[in-house]
This record gives sequence, C-alpha cells and structure tokens, in this order.
Amino acid sequence: QSMLTQPPSASGTPGQRVTIACYGDSSNIGSNYVHWYQHLPGRGPKLLIFRDNERPSGVPDRFSGSKSGTSASLTISGLRSEDEADYYCATGHDPLSGPVFGGGTKLTVL
Amino acid sequence: HLVQAGGGVVQPGGSLRLSCAASGFSFSGFGMYWVRQAPGKSLEWVAVISYDATKKYYTDSVKGRFTISRDNSKNTLFLQLDRMEPADTAVYYCAKVLLWMNGGMDVWGQGTAVTVSS
Repeated sequence: QSMLTQPPSASGTPGQRVTIACYGDSSNIGSNYVHWYQHLPGRGPKLLIFRDNERPSGVPDRFSGSKSGTSASLTISGLRSEDEADYYCATGHDPLSGPVFGGGTKLTVL
Repeated sequence: HLVQAGGGVVQPGGSLRLSCAASGFSFSGFGMYWVRQAPGKSLEWVAVISYDATKKYYTDSVKGRFTISRDNSKNTLFLQLDRMEPADTAVYYCAKVLLWMNGGMDVWGQGTAVTVSS
C-alpha cells in the first residue's frame, strides 16, 4: 500500500488558522474514510477527526476535517500553544488491509 | 483507558511479550490494534484482532513472527514478538478499534519501547 503524503512541517502564531494537507490516491483516500490523529511526545496518539469530518466527543470545534477526491485536510482554528504536536492522517481500510498512515506533520506554534 | 506493560531491550532473534490492560469500556465488544513507531518514522499498524479473537491480521513484515491475542475475561490484549529483528525497534501502542470495517482508533495506550540490539 502506498503511504499518504503530508508536508513534514507547518507553523502558525497563536490565534491563526492552520491547514494540514494529506494526499493519497484512488486506492486509499479516494475510496476510504480519513481519520486524523494528534501525537504529543511521550504519549499515545489522540483521535481528532474520524470519517473525514466528524469529531469525537471532547475534541474542540477548533479542529475540523474535510476531504475532496484523493486529498484531505485538517484545519485548526484559533491556534493555541498546546496544539504544538505531530499530526497524522490515516485511511480507514478494512482490517485485512490495515490502515495507511501519512508521514506526519510537525506543527510549530511560533 | 489502556495501560501497557512489557517492552525492553532484546537481542536479535529473541522474544518479548507486550500487554495492554483495558478499563472504562466494554473490552470484549471491540477489536484492538497494535501500532508501532520506529525512531524518526511514522506510525505503522502491526496487527489487529476482532472482539472475539476469531479474526487476526498482521502487516506483512511481522507475519509468522508476531502473534496477537486477547483475554476478554481479564480485559487484556497481548502481542507476542518472536524472532525479533533490529527493524522491530519501535515504540509499540495498543489502540481500540473505532470502526471495524473502516478503521479509526479512538483509545490509545501510552506506548512501550522495544529495542532490538546485540
């Protein structure tokens, strides 16, 4: 399975809006849901967005997801210092195939 | 809530057993993943097991070497790592399946480090 492509880094200042892209193809993003995870150092990843644009309970509405064709994006509005983390997109393949993760984007809050 | 144990340093060809104790949800009703992250690399799924342990799937690089299992009476997930290779060096996470046919992991363990080195 091909990996999903994310920019290695992104940055913004507090209060700004930042968008992280995730590029795939018809075999992954184009035919499966996309999920997004936030990963802080020394902790387990946290689910931020599932099924392209849904938020688990407890995730602030500052986080939103979208998908179009073979690409997806995560948008963080009202950027905060605690948002500094690594962000991963992943497709929701059936368990036989297993999920495909993006390479990750390190978000820096300046 | 998932609390992991096990991990450590092992020589190539050696074995290790990881465990993941669940609480706060009906463990026996959900599939479970093991996911790993090698140093400087992205996340990679390792294995997945259905809620009743009738279905088990592995990524190609660990087939025949790793075994996923679970004990629903003890709310615990396991990963047996045999014939380990340096490429298995990673932080290993257990995670609860959100959607069995569409992926997603909504509860994660804290991670446990595994190092394969002579």
